[in-house]
Order: sequence, then structure tokens, then C-alpha cells
Amino acid sequence: SAVISQKPSRDICQRGTSLTIQCQVDSQVTMMFWYRQQPGQSLTLIATANQGSEATYESGFVIDKFPISRPNLTFSTLTVSNMSPEDSSIYLCSVADVDRGTEAFFGQGTRLTVV
Amino acid sequence: KQEVTQIPAALSVPEGENLVLNCSFTDSAIYNLQWFRQDPGKGLTSLLLIQSSQREQTSGRLNASLDKSSGRSTLYIAASQPGDSATYLCAVKGNYGQNFVFGPGTRLSVLP
Repeated sequence: SAVISQKPSRDICQRGTSLTIQCQVDSQVTMMFWYRQQPGQSLTLIATANQGSEATYESGFVIDKFPISRPNLTFSTLTVSNMSPEDSSIYLCSVADVDRGTEAFFGQGTRLTVV
Repeated sequence: KQEVTQIPAALSVPEGENLVLNCSFTDSAIYNLQWFRQDPGKGLTSLLLIQSSQREQTSGRLNASLDKSSGRSTLYIAASQPGDSATYLCAVKGNYGQNFVFGPGTRLSVLP
């Protein structure tokens, strides 16, 4: 299995500010994803982080609001920009690798509260 | 577009009972299906992964089956324990594209 370290684990932020979440994996992986889980809801995919190129965003999510970086095969960041209370959610980093049957692994998540 | 549903939404059972959680998906062209558990406010822990060519997978007291043609998977938990209390999510990965589609989850409470 892959071990994923996600930071911070939680934060309380003022509206209008930005927060960058980091995801570090203990081995190289082909696929990295960012999900959002709103209170009481299931997971919604924000984007696929592509190494060395722009992320692929799902419908309803845009780069200006959720810029993503992936400089190498073990690290990615997600920024939540110009935050509002509606952005309060758990944000989850996930990885999968074709050499491991594309089994998905998750970080422990970042619980974000915007006040 | 793939859609995943889970029944029941919530389940409460006394300790020691065997139970079954259900997952259904609309597009049978899947690459694999995975079951996760999520404790409140935490990330997801992978329980079982079933490739599309497989019928079932077992790990300890857990057994997951897959019937791709009917778009269904079940997670069987034997001799349930209070520590099994969590939300259980299933997710499917299609043959096309890289991402997983998640169901809404089943919230399980096992009472001592």
C-alpha cells in the first residue's frame, strides 16, 4: 500500500483568504486526485493532478478557484482560493498506481472551516 | 455517466450479527470496484479491491462480491463488532478515464 501524508490536518480560515494543502506519497504513483467531501456527503472529484502539466478539472471546478500543482510523482498541492463559508469541507488527496492494480489510497484529509 | 448507489443509507445492528451492505452501479464497463471505510472526520481506509475479472475478495471477517453484469457488489461483514462502526463507501473505476466514482455510503452502527 501507499502511505500518504496530508497537511494540514485541519484549519480554520478567514473568508477571502487562501489555503494550500500538501499531499506527499512515500513512493512514485501514476495517478493523484483531489476530492472534496462536504458535510454529510460522499466524495466529489475536484481534479486529477497531472505531473508536469495542468490538472484536469471536473465539471463545476475551475483552476482559478482550485489551483493544483504536481511537480513530481510523489507530491501535489491543492490551493483553495478566495475562500467562503461554502468551501468548508474535508479535502482528500488520493493516489493510485497501475502497478498496484489501480487500488486507491487516501490521505487522512484536511478539515477546512471558513469563518 | 456512471452512478453509484448504496443501500441501506444507515444500519444499526447488535454486536455479533452478520450483515450485508449493498452497492449498485449503472455502467457495467468497470475496471475495478473498491470498498472503503471512513471514520468520522477522517480519511478513507481501503478494505477490499475487486478487479473486473474477479467474483469476490476476502479479508478477515470481510467478504466482497462482484456481479458486473447486474451492476452489483455486496460487502459481507461477519460477527460484527463495535469497532466496525463507520461509514462504508464503495467506488468504481471505469474502463475509460482514471477517476473513481463513489457511492453515498452506508453508515453502520454496531451496538455493544
